[in-house]
Amino acid sequence: GDSVTQMEGPVTLSEEAFLTINCTYTATGYPSLFWYVQYPGEGLQLLLKATKADDKGSNKGFEATYRKETTSFHLEKGSVQVSDSAVYFCALRRGAQKLVFGQGTRLTINP
Amino acid sequence: SAVISQKPSRDICQRGTSLTIQCQVDSQVTMMFWYRQQPGQSLTLIATANQGSEATYESGFVIDKFPISRPNLTFSTLTVSNMSPEDSSIYLCSVVVGKDTEAFFGQGTRLTVV
Repeated sequence: GDSVTQMEGPVTLSEEAFLTINCTYTATGYPSLFWYVQYPGEGLQLLLKATKADDKGSNKGFEATYRKETTSFHLEKGSVQVSDSAVYFCALRRGAQKLVFGQGTRLTINP
Repeated sequence: SAVISQKPSRDICQRGTSLTIQCQVDSQVTMMFWYRQQPGQSLTLIATANQGSEATYESGFVIDKFPISRPNLTFSTLTVSNMSPEDSSIYLCSVVVGKDTEAFFGQGTRLTVV
Protein backbone atom coordinates (compact mmCIF):
# COMPACT_ATOMS: atom_id res chain seq x y z
CA GLY A 1 0.00 0.00 0.00
CA ASP A 2 0.88 3.66 -0.06
CA SER A 3 3.40 4.89 2.49
CA VAL A 4 5.45 7.95 3.45
CA THR A 5 8.82 7.92 5.18
CA GLN A 6 10.27 11.01 6.84
CA MET A 7 13.67 11.59 8.30
CA GLU A 8 13.94 10.72 11.95
CA GLY A 9 13.68 13.51 14.46
CA PRO A 10 13.97 15.45 16.55
CA VAL A 11 15.91 18.08 14.63
CA THR A 12 17.51 20.97 16.49
CA LEU A 13 18.99 23.95 14.66
CA SER A 14 20.15 27.44 15.43
CA GLU A 15 18.28 30.43 14.13
CA GLU A 16 19.14 31.34 10.51
CA ALA A 17 20.41 27.82 9.76
CA PHE A 18 19.45 25.96 6.58
CA LEU A 19 16.76 23.32 7.00
CA THR A 20 16.13 20.11 5.10
CA ILE A 21 13.60 17.50 6.18
CA ASN A 22 13.67 14.47 3.92
CA CYS A 23 10.49 12.77 2.73
CA THR A 24 10.15 9.82 0.37
CA TYR A 25 7.02 8.02 -0.66
CA THR A 26 5.72 4.79 -2.15
CA ALA A 27 2.52 4.94 -4.14
CA THR A 28 0.97 3.75 -7.35
CA GLY A 29 -0.03 6.31 -9.91
CA TYR A 30 0.46 10.02 -9.35
CA PRO A 31 -0.33 11.13 -5.82
CA SER A 32 -0.58 14.70 -4.61
CA LEU A 33 2.03 15.52 -1.99
CA PHE A 34 1.69 17.76 1.05
CA TRP A 35 3.59 19.17 3.97
CA TYR A 36 1.56 19.93 7.07
CA VAL A 37 2.78 21.74 10.18
CA GLN A 38 1.53 21.33 13.73
CA TYR A 39 2.44 24.09 16.15
CA PRO A 40 2.40 23.27 19.87
CA GLY A 41 -1.12 22.68 21.14
CA GLU A 42 -2.74 23.19 17.74
CA GLY A 43 -4.21 21.15 14.90
CA LEU A 44 -2.61 20.63 11.50
CA GLN A 45 -2.19 23.39 8.97
CA LEU A 46 -1.27 22.95 5.35
CA LEU A 47 2.19 24.37 4.70
CA LEU A 48 2.53 23.62 0.99
CA LYS A 49 1.53 21.13 -1.68
CA ALA A 50 2.38 19.84 -5.14
CA THR A 51 0.04 17.90 -7.37
CA LYS A 52 2.27 16.71 -10.22
CA ALA A 53 5.86 15.86 -11.02
CA ASP A 54 8.34 18.77 -10.98
CA ASP A 55 5.84 21.07 -9.25
CA LYS A 56 7.36 23.20 -6.52
CA GLY A 57 5.23 24.12 -3.56
CA SER A 58 6.24 27.12 -1.49
CA ASN A 59 4.95 29.08 1.50
CA LYS A 60 6.45 31.16 4.33
CA GLY A 61 9.96 30.63 2.94
CA PHE A 62 9.56 26.85 2.83
CA GLU A 63 9.88 24.95 -0.45
CA ALA A 64 9.49 21.38 -1.65
CA THR A 65 9.74 19.94 -5.16
CA TYR A 66 7.82 16.88 -6.34
CA ARG A 67 10.52 14.52 -7.67
CA LYS A 68 8.96 11.51 -9.31
CA GLU A 69 12.26 9.97 -10.35
CA THR A 70 13.42 9.77 -6.74
CA THR A 71 9.89 9.58 -5.23
CA SER A 72 10.81 12.41 -2.90
CA PHE A 73 9.34 15.67 -1.58
CA HIS A 74 12.01 17.14 0.69
CA LEU A 75 11.16 20.25 2.69
CA GLU A 76 13.70 23.09 2.70
CA LYS A 77 14.07 26.55 4.15
CA GLY A 78 17.05 28.79 3.73
CA SER A 79 16.98 30.54 7.10
CA VAL A 80 14.86 29.20 9.93
CA GLN A 81 13.38 31.22 12.77
CA VAL A 82 12.44 30.33 16.32
CA SER A 83 8.79 30.58 15.28
CA ASP A 84 9.32 27.64 12.88
CA SER A 85 9.59 25.27 15.84
CA ALA A 86 6.84 22.71 15.29
CA VAL A 87 6.16 19.18 14.10
CA TYR A 88 6.22 18.73 10.33
CA PHE A 89 4.30 15.98 8.54
CA CYS A 90 4.77 14.84 4.97
CA ALA A 91 1.68 13.26 3.41
CA LEU A 92 0.31 11.94 0.14
CA ARG A 93 -3.14 11.47 -1.32
CA ARG A 94 -4.29 9.75 -4.49
CA GLY A 95 -7.43 11.26 -5.95
CA ALA A 96 -10.29 10.91 -3.50
CA GLN A 97 -8.43 8.50 -1.25
CA LYS A 98 -7.41 9.14 2.32
CA LEU A 99 -4.31 11.06 3.34
CA VAL A 100 -1.32 8.92 4.26
CA PHE A 101 1.04 10.59 6.72
CA GLY A 102 4.67 10.16 7.53
CA GLN A 103 5.69 9.78 11.16
CA GLY A 104 6.35 13.49 11.67
CA THR A 105 9.57 15.37 12.41
CA ARG A 106 9.85 17.57 15.46
CA LEU A 107 11.87 20.72 14.73
CA THR A 108 13.29 22.96 17.43
CA ILE A 109 15.00 26.23 16.58
CA ASN A 110 17.22 27.79 19.21
CA PRO A 111 17.85 31.55 19.27
CA SER B 1 -11.19 26.27 1.73
CA ALA B 2 -13.08 25.17 4.82
CA VAL B 3 -13.23 26.31 8.42
CA ILE B 4 -13.76 23.55 10.94
CA SER B 5 -14.97 23.99 14.49
CA GLN B 6 -14.26 21.05 16.76
CA LYS B 7 -15.61 20.71 20.30
CA PRO B 8 -14.54 20.16 23.01
CA SER B 9 -10.96 21.32 22.61
CA ARG B 10 -9.88 19.19 25.54
CA ASP B 11 -11.35 16.99 28.24
CA ILE B 12 -10.33 14.79 31.13
CA CYS B 13 -12.57 11.77 31.50
CA GLN B 14 -12.94 8.84 33.85
CA ARG B 15 -12.25 5.38 32.54
CA GLY B 16 -15.35 3.48 31.50
CA THR B 17 -17.22 6.61 30.38
CA SER B 18 -17.83 7.91 26.84
CA LEU B 19 -17.08 11.22 25.16
CA THR B 20 -18.68 12.63 22.03
CA ILE B 21 -16.65 15.00 19.89
CA GLN B 22 -18.38 17.35 17.48
CA CYS B 23 -17.12 18.63 14.14
CA GLN B 24 -18.87 21.50 12.37
CA VAL B 25 -17.81 22.72 8.92
CA ASP B 26 -18.69 26.09 7.43
CA SER B 27 -19.56 24.59 4.03
CA GLN B 28 -21.02 21.38 2.64
CA VAL B 29 -18.40 18.71 2.12
CA THR B 30 -18.67 15.18 0.85
CA MET B 31 -15.80 13.60 2.72
CA MET B 32 -15.14 13.91 6.43
CA PHE B 33 -12.49 11.97 8.29
CA TRP B 34 -11.63 11.24 11.90
CA TYR B 35 -8.01 10.77 12.94
CA ARG B 36 -6.28 9.81 16.16
CA GLN B 37 -2.89 11.13 17.14
CA GLN B 38 -1.40 9.28 20.06
CA PRO B 39 1.23 11.10 22.15
CA GLY B 40 4.34 11.78 20.08
CA GLN B 41 2.97 9.84 17.12
CA SER B 42 1.70 10.54 13.62
CA LEU B 43 -1.94 10.62 12.60
CA THR B 44 -3.88 7.41 12.14
CA LEU B 45 -7.17 7.39 10.26
CA ILE B 46 -10.01 5.97 12.34
CA ALA B 47 -12.83 6.17 9.80
CA THR B 48 -14.39 8.04 6.93
CA ALA B 49 -17.76 9.55 7.82
CA ASN B 50 -20.26 9.17 5.01
CA GLN B 51 -23.44 11.22 4.85
CA GLY B 52 -26.49 9.02 4.75
CA SER B 53 -24.69 5.75 5.35
CA GLU B 54 -22.51 4.02 7.91
CA ALA B 55 -18.96 5.15 8.41
CA THR B 56 -16.12 3.19 6.85
CA TYR B 57 -13.63 2.05 9.48
CA GLU B 58 -9.93 1.38 9.07
CA SER B 59 -8.31 -1.81 10.20
CA GLY B 60 -8.05 -1.92 13.98
CA PHE B 61 -11.01 0.39 14.62
CA VAL B 62 -14.58 -0.81 15.21
CA ILE B 63 -17.96 0.86 15.32
CA ASP B 64 -18.75 -0.29 18.86
CA LYS B 65 -15.71 1.55 20.19
CA PHE B 66 -15.86 4.60 17.90
CA PRO B 67 -19.45 5.17 16.73
CA ILE B 68 -19.74 7.99 14.21
CA SER B 69 -22.71 10.02 13.09
CA ARG B 70 -22.98 12.11 9.92
CA PRO B 71 -26.49 13.56 9.83
CA ASN B 72 -25.76 16.14 7.10
CA LEU B 73 -23.01 17.54 4.87
CA THR B 74 -21.67 19.99 7.46
CA PHE B 75 -21.62 18.04 10.72
CA SER B 76 -20.26 14.84 12.24
CA THR B 77 -19.65 13.37 15.67
CA LEU B 78 -17.19 10.79 16.93
CA THR B 79 -17.83 9.01 20.21
CA VAL B 80 -15.03 7.33 22.14
CA SER B 81 -16.81 4.62 24.13
CA ASN B 82 -15.91 2.81 27.33
CA MET B 83 -12.68 4.74 27.58
CA SER B 84 -9.42 3.48 29.00
CA PRO B 85 -6.14 5.35 29.54
CA GLU B 86 -4.92 3.95 26.20
CA ASP B 87 -7.52 6.16 24.50
CA SER B 88 -5.70 9.28 25.67
CA SER B 89 -4.90 11.02 22.38
CA ILE B 90 -5.67 13.98 20.21
CA TYR B 91 -8.67 13.33 17.98
CA LEU B 92 -8.90 15.39 14.79
CA CYS B 93 -11.67 15.97 12.33
CA SER B 94 -10.70 16.59 8.71
CA VAL B 95 -12.50 17.44 5.48
CA VAL B 96 -11.55 17.41 1.83
CA VAL B 97 -13.21 19.94 -0.42
CA GLY B 98 -12.12 18.78 -3.86
CA LYS B 99 -10.46 15.84 -5.56
CA ASP B 100 -6.94 17.22 -5.72
CA THR B 101 -7.01 19.75 -2.96
CA GLU B 102 -5.62 19.57 0.50
CA ALA B 103 -7.41 18.34 3.59
CA PHE B 104 -8.42 20.85 6.25
CA PHE B 105 -8.24 20.02 9.92
CA GLY B 106 -10.01 21.05 13.06
CA GLN B 107 -8.00 22.20 16.06
CA GLY B 108 -8.28 18.77 17.61
CA THR B 109 -9.68 17.42 20.86
CA ARG B 110 -7.07 16.55 23.46
CA LEU B 111 -8.48 13.68 25.50
CA THR B 112 -6.98 12.43 28.75
CA VAL B 113 -8.48 9.35 30.37
CA VAL B 114 -7.75 8.83 34.06
